[in-house]
Amino acid sequence: DAGITQSPRYKITETGRQVTLMCHQTWSHSYMFWYRQDLGHGLRLIYYSAAADITDKGEVPDGYVVSRSKTENFPLTLESATRSQTSVYFCASSEDETQYFGPGTRLTVL
Amino acid sequence: DQQVKQNSPSLSVQEGRISILNCDYTNSMFDYFLWYKKYPAEGPTFLISISSIKDKNEDGRFTVFLNKSAKHLSLHIVPSQPGDSAVYFCAAKLTSGTYKYIFGTGTRLKVLA
Repeated sequence: DAGITQSPRYKITETGRQVTLMCHQTWSHSYMFWYRQDLGHGLRLIYYSAAADITDKGEVPDGYVVSRSKTENFPLTLESATRSQTSVYFCASSEDETQYFGPGTRLTVL
Repeated sequence: DQQVKQNSPSLSVQEGRISILNCDYTNSMFDYFLWYKKYPAEGPTFLISISSIKDKNEDGRFTVFLNKSAKHLSLHIVPSQPGDSAVYFCAAKLTSGTYKYIFGTGTRLKVLA
């Protein structure tokens, strides 16, 4: 299906484990973004990518790693999950000023 | 420091009336603004945008107003419908050449039938 998808939709993990959240878009958009949504904070940018192999930090990058070997994929890895990383994670893509969001991944770190 | 603020966490409006959602920003270097609507368990959906060179943009029942001197934008929904009940986020982009946005904390709109 065309669009932007995220997997898994729900994930429960334990403190200290590595977790990778996947994001895939079929529009061949150059830009991709990862946000987290927390109560009282709205959406905060974790990392973004302007093209394959080009990534940069957002507002809250600590504890996260990204890669972009292919234009359509932008995985987000939590190298050693902490409870403070319990959140809803959204991936987005864009080719101009408008960003299009995926359905989100709800991550719980126990 | 929150550069984009939505000071009303929630708003209730009767069906058929006008809903006005507000957003304030602090950085005069923002040059483009977006509004998103978000339903529970879904990703945000783009609603309407406005460039800093304009002061108004309309799309059907939705109008966004930008007051640059006051660093304030507002989203008007007329008439409001129960299906408009959602969380609304405003977002602002810097004139830096990238498409990074800073989002507000959101306003939960409830339209009462």
